[in-house]
Amino acid sequence: GQNIDQPTEMTATEGAIVQINCTYQTSGFNGLFWYQQHAGEAPTFLSYNVLDGLEEKGRFSSFLSRSKGYSYLLLKELQMKDSASYLCAVIGSNYQLIWGAGTKLIIKP
Amino acid sequence: IAGITQAPTSQILAAGRRMTLRCTQDMRHNAMYWYRQDLGLGLRLIHYSNTAGTTGKGEVPDGYSVSRANTDDFPLTLASAVPSQTSVYFCASSDSADTDTQYFGPGTRLTVL
Repeated sequence: GQNIDQPTEMTATEGAIVQINCTYQTSGFNGLFWYQQHAGEAPTFLSYNVLDGLEEKGRFSSFLSRSKGYSYLLLKELQMKDSASYLCAVIGSNYQLIWGAGTKLIIKP
Repeated sequence: IAGITQAPTSQILAAGRRMTLRCTQDMRHNAMYWYRQDLGLGLRLIHYSNTAGTTGKGEVPDGYSVSRANTDDFPLTLASAVPSQTSVYFCASSDSADTDTQYFGPGTRLTVL
């Protein structure tokens, strides 16, 4: 079967750094997305990785290791507005997205 | 430019009733998708369309149908709603159906009683 695992919930402090992990087992791999979803809103695109390594975009970075079936999203200098769910999604062999259940990130002052 | 719009925003529906959720995009994207999102579960693909005139079944298509008569519109129909179809429904689109980023509409919150 196909499976994407993320922690259900994480808590971090404003100004700190947090790493959200995602592990996947899929039939085929054509890339991995991270999306942010605030409560009651639509998911919005954060990052896309298809090659191994780190992609940096401002305060957010995303890392991929295809051999380990592993990715993480790194958020630096956390702000209260970063409180949201973070969704990991893998493009499988049929080019359809397989979604993790998401990680709810709670930021405390 | 609105991107993707969905209607209605929310709806309460009696079981057995027919309901169409509307989705319109103005980005001229070729591919469109319907997902449902339930608490504790990842987004699940209901139906998709790689290009106007074609549709395909996703992970959970039973009880739902779609059509893609043109590029912009991708309505989702529940022929006879059941309580298990209570969910938040998101429409999304992407330029192409392979590795392009998907952009989401604001969602429709549907309750079936």
